[in-house]
Amino acid sequence: QKEVEQNSGPLSVPEGAIASLNCTYSDRGSQSFFWYRQYSGKSPELIMSIYSNGDKEDGRFTAQLNKASQYVSLLIRDSQPSDSATYLCAVNEGQTGANNLFFGTGTRLTVIP
Amino acid sequence: SQTIHQWPATLVQPVGSPLSLECTVEGTSNPNLYWYRQAAGRGLQLLFYSVGIGQISSEVPQNLSASRPQDRQFILSSKKLLLSDSGFYLCAWGQGAQGAFFGQGTRLTVV
Repeated sequence: QKEVEQNSGPLSVPEGAIASLNCTYSDRGSQSFFWYRQYSGKSPELIMSIYSNGDKEDGRFTAQLNKASQYVSLLIRDSQPSDSATYLCAVNEGQTGANNLFFGTGTRLTVIP
Repeated sequence: SQTIHQWPATLVQPVGSPLSLECTVEGTSNPNLYWYRQAAGRGLQLLFYSVGIGQISSEVPQNLSASRPQDRQFILSSKKLLLSDSGFYLCAWGQGAQGAFFGQGTRLTVV
């Protein structure tokens, strides 16, 4: 059973602070890792992908991957109220040609103005 | 650029009625196609995926089925809906290891 675990939150941070979102996964064969943002009532939107150990930065977002610890995180710097959403961690099982994604249940982030 | 269309956006169906949700992708060829379901307060559950026309794999046994009659068309069906089928249904496409891109979703309420 492939599992992707996230703290459901809610996580509340003040505007301008750093929000830190964490995710662990069970399948050591996983090869690709993604963060999605989902606003209430909307479909998930891909915001970050990471494939190798270390950090990957894109604007205010930084994804961090540690395959040895089976851990992936997302940092949001200078958090804005518009960042308030549920953040889903997704892991590509990497074992089949379909590249299936398995999702965590998401962490709800609230940025307080 | 690639776009994905999914309809309808909302649907209310009685228990025991049939279901057909359709999804089409534009701007790409031979994509992987997926159907996910998101129940209230739960994560995204992979229902079906397809790597090509007529090729369907099911992740979760249930009273739903999927078909891919054309390269960029993916259909989710049921002959008889159950109350437990209520949820947010999402179609997605992907290629390689770049992740999945979602349609707008269909919010299904079975009454």
